Amino acid sequence: QQQVKQSPQSLIVQKGGISIINCAYENTAFDYFPWYQQFPGKGPALLIAIRPDVSEKKEGRFTISFNKSAKQFSLHIMDSQPGDSATYFCAPTRKGSQGNLIFGKGTKLSVKP
Amino acid sequence: GAVVSQHPSWVICKSGTSVKIECRSLDFQATTMFWYRQFPKQSLMLMATSNEGSKATYEQGVEKDKFLINHASLTLSTLTVTSAHPEDSSFYICSAGSGGTEAFFGQGTRLTVV
Repeated sequence: QQQVKQSPQSLIVQKGGISIINCAYENTAFDYFPWYQQFPGKGPALLIAIRPDVSEKKEGRFTISFNKSAKQFSLHIMDSQPGDSATYFCAPTRKGSQGNLIFGKGTKLSVKP
Repeated sequence: GAVVSQHPSWVICKSGTSVKIECRSLDFQATTMFWYRQFPKQSLMLMATSNEGSKATYEQGVEKDKFLINHASLTLSTLTVTSAHPEDSSFYICSAGSGGTEAFFGQGTRLTVV
């Protein structure tokens, strides 16, 4: 049973454009919804996360939109830059999980100059 | 944020030998550490969960006798790949928790078995 479905698998965006990555989950017990960014040869790093009591969270150029009823959340990268080129993973989980994560399959983002 | 250091960053070993990878939480005590494996262009797959002072819990399909995990202190967990074979070549990543929800990841170890 695939608990986390992430799309698209890959994404090419022109510099300055908007990148949108989606994540759908099945487990209604999840209550922490993070996005991780991973550069080649490096471990993933937390980019931004949201809790279910809000529908949107913005940090700089990065925004999470959360739809509890649809069991989906998405990452929006505004004014995408070549430095944003990386693989992005969603990994919804439960509070207190201490990092026991089930990752989506990942989205490879390429931002063209 | 909290820092997790993983060592070595890369290692090449001969088939049949064992390799040890260290994961250290530098500025916090990690009650729980996690070990992941990532094949090229794929996602991270959880291998095992280690708790300080107790036996690790392995995910289904992961051979506990092949991937030995030791979590002897609140700041150090080690993963030993025993009798390594070329199919064990992968990117191994650890993460640590400090009692909350957020995971702090090491920089990963690229293992190549020749």
